[in-house]
Amino acid sequence: KNEVEQSPQNLTAQEGEFITINCSYSVGISALHWLQQHPGGGIVSLFMLSSGKKKHGRLIATINIQEKHSSLHITASHPRDSAVYICAVATNKLIFGTGTLLAVQP
Amino acid sequence: DAGVIQSPRHEVTEMGQEVTLRCKPISGHNSLFWYRQTMMRGLELLIYFNNNVPIDDSGMPEDRFSAKMPNASFSTLKIQPSEPRDSAVYFCASSLQSVDQPQHFGDGTRLSIL
Repeated sequence: KNEVEQSPQNLTAQEGEFITINCSYSVGISALHWLQQHPGGGIVSLFMLSSGKKKHGRLIATINIQEKHSSLHITASHPRDSAVYICAVATNKLIFGTGTLLAVQP
Repeated sequence: DAGVIQSPRHEVTEMGQEVTLRCKPISGHNSLFWYRQTMMRGLELLIYFNNNVPIDDSGMPEDRFSAKMPNASFSTLKIQPSEPRDSAVYFCASSLQSVDQPQHFGDGTRLSIL
């Protein structure tokens, strides 16, 4: 079993829909990262959090340390949100989930 | 404000050749990370440095891979000899300090070993 599991693996949504991507982990962590990778390949750090909730524009990330679970929400989704979203947990190093491929259709 | 700079962007070479990938982290960042991304295995941490010292190299696949950070503004990842299974995108990232700080990624080097 992977130490970091993401779901779903693939997600197709219509423009405007509310989207949730989930990340569960089985190890003790000091922080959790959400990353975005666009089709061109570049990787951008969206959030780093160790408790509670963070919001940036239409993106919201939450973490429940007791449940070992984090969610990434996208409100009012747009085709430009189409990308791979990757969860990574920080132990003494970073351990990555396999990513969620999101396609938002106009 | 320059981000993490990697070179080359693309490299195609024949099996058995030495390959050197280069990375310049963001000025003032104390941690530098080398990652490899493949379709089969996703993103994997190869090695990371803190204050130019290798902290964790458990992800380095084998002795053919080596990484150095001679100073705070430069790091190299070397593969010698290269093999077709080394074909991947190699990312370098830096952060202010350690793995629980936001990381800034370079654009990656797409490596193809023929």
